[in-house]
This record gives sequence, structure tokens and C-alpha cells, in this order.
Amino acid sequence: GAGVSQSPSNKVTEKGKDVELRCDPISGHTALYWYRQSLGQGLEFLIYFQGNSAPDKSGLPSDRFSAERTGGSVSTLTIQRTQQEDSAVYLCASSPAGTANSPLHFGNGTRLTVT
Amino acid sequence: DQQVKQNSPSLSVQEGRISILNCDYTNSMFDYFLWYKKYPAEGPTFLISISSIKDKNEDGRFTVFLNKSAKHLSLHIVPSQPGDSAVYFCAARRVNYGGSQGNLIFGKGTKLSVKP
Repeated sequence: GAGVSQSPSNKVTEKGKDVELRCDPISGHTALYWYRQSLGQGLEFLIYFQGNSAPDKSGLPSDRFSAERTGGSVSTLTIQRTQQEDSAVYLCASSPAGTANSPLHFGNGTRLTVT
Repeated sequence: DQQVKQNSPSLSVQEGRISILNCDYTNSMFDYFLWYKKYPAEGPTFLISISSIKDKNEDGRFTVFLNKSAKHLSLHIVPSQPGDSAVYFCAARRVNYGGSQGNLIFGKGTKLSVKP
């Protein structure tokens, strides 16, 4: 079946511009996560949606970052006034049922380069 | 404050030998641990997991060991194959009240190279 789909796969933007990154999770998965991986670093948690609960935004690095999940499915991560330090691979993952032993299924990521 | 630590950024192993990847954690509230494998330009893929009530879980060539008192877990791959060359991430999770999954915290990864 179809996995987690992210678009675009690559995005180059100028410093100060806004960008939107899209994630289509696996159908039926109730949990959706955004992570980012900067060069040479691990996976940094950004935000987590679980069903209709309020999202866990504790990982968002600044108020320039926001995310929405419409209709419990597609999610959009928005970065306003991009900075060079925002350059990273942004990874989306979804998980069924939201139980502790549900592994995350990742997309291939969006590589964001801020020039 | 890094709650999940993988102190070895890289590991090189000969084909056929055992690969041992280590992970330490600081939060005693974690109760589920997972290992992911990542190839370049792809997202991480789930490999194996272990609950905190167990000390070992085995799946084919992959075995994960958990030492709760030491807050340490390890992934053993035996025999190692060239196709195992990838970055391996350790991750930990805390179960929320009501049983739902909490946020998954990742280590920085260990790059494994298996030489033919």
C-alpha cells in the first residue's frame, strides 16, 4: 500500500521567505509527527498530532514554525521568514492507533535549503 | 538536555562478524524503545523494538537488549551483511496516561559500515 508521502522532495528558498511543506500520512493512521534532521544531527522532534487531541507543539523551535492537520489527515508545516539555520531535512511520520508499541512510518522527507 | 544518547557516531565491521550498536537514555519514565535504520535520501524505517518489561527481543539477525538499571540498550546484528550499512537510530517513548503513545525521542544515530 501507499506509504507516507511528502512534498516537495526538495525546496530551495531565499532567506526571509515563507515555505509550506506537505505530508500525506498513511490512510487510517491517527498519529502524525514532524521531525527535522540538520546536517550531522539526529532527528529533532517538532510537533505531534494525535486524533482530535490538542497537538504537542513542544518541539517547535520558534514562533516562525507552525503546523496544521486538516480533517485528521493531511498536514502542512509552515515556516515563516525562513533563516539559514532552518536548512534541514524535514521528515513526517504517521502511526496507527496511537498505542505505545506502534512504530512510526516515515516519509522520505523534504530537503529545505535556505540561501 | 539529550535524553537519548548514541555516543558512537560511526562503527565499522567486517562482513559476517557481529555489529553492536549502543544507546543510553536518561529518562527513567521511558517504557518503550525502538531502533530505526536509515539509508541516504530515504526516511528511517522501523527495525525492532522492546518494551521496558523485557530485557531481550530477537528478530532474525537482529536482537535488542535492554538493561533498565543501567539505562542502556544495544542492538546486535549477526552476521553483519554489507546491506546493513546505514545509519541506525535509537528511539525511546513514554506511554501517556490512558495508554496512548507519547512523543518519540531519537538519538543522533550511529553510521554502520559493513565491509565485504
